[in-house]
Amino acid sequence: GENVEQHPSTLSVQEGDSAVIKCTYSDSASNYFPWYKQELGKRPQLIIDIRSNVGEKKDQRIAVTLNKTAKHFSLHITETQPEDSAVYFCAASYNNDMRFGAGTRLTVKP
Amino acid sequence: GAVVSQHPSWVICKSGTSVKIECRSLDFQATTMFWYRQFPKQSLMLMATSNEGSKATYEQGVEKDKFLINHASLTLSTLTVTSAHPEDSSFYICSARTNRAGGSLLEQYFGPGTRLTVT
Repeated sequence: GENVEQHPSTLSVQEGDSAVIKCTYSDSASNYFPWYKQELGKRPQLIIDIRSNVGEKKDQRIAVTLNKTAKHFSLHITETQPEDSAVYFCAASYNNDMRFGAGTRLTVKP
Repeated sequence: GAVVSQHPSWVICKSGTSVKIECRSLDFQATTMFWYRQFPKQSLMLMATSNEGSKATYEQGVEKDKFLINHASLTLSTLTVTSAHPEDSSFYICSARTNRAGGSLLEQYFGPGTRLTVT
């Protein structure tokens, strides 16, 4: 089955700086890669996703890149703000099988 | 659109009792729903995939007789934790796929979660 690894587990940045979170996956059949943001005690919220036929996608301050050959994908947050502080999960999916990374706790210091 | 609700949001029960958690898709039909368990400061672990009108598919290591899943309609799936024990205390989250216009069958939207505490 799919195995997703996520790094780093914790990330602390200064407000305004960029944050990058990286994930690797094992199953080359995976074709959908969402990123979720989860605040304490709340549900994961989909913030951006990318499909295997696309190499990069951007939505305002958030961007995701995908390297299918290397089987890794990354989340980039620019101009970070304190409200970006949360746990971020990457996931890789094929049909009904979605596997999550271990999560990255991002702290943005004002 | 793509709203998923869960009930209850939190529950405390005594060891040995059973607890039912409901997951509803409010504005779309969900042929497939997923149940996850999340322990403090850990990731979401898939427990089972629930398909409307058929038996759920359980992940390895998840006891199907302990975690009963029913997906009786296109908008409702239930998870019953039977004979609950303190180690079952966790955050249980469901998710559902939507085939909303312009969306994708791949997207999953999560319910708000149910915090179960077994004493």
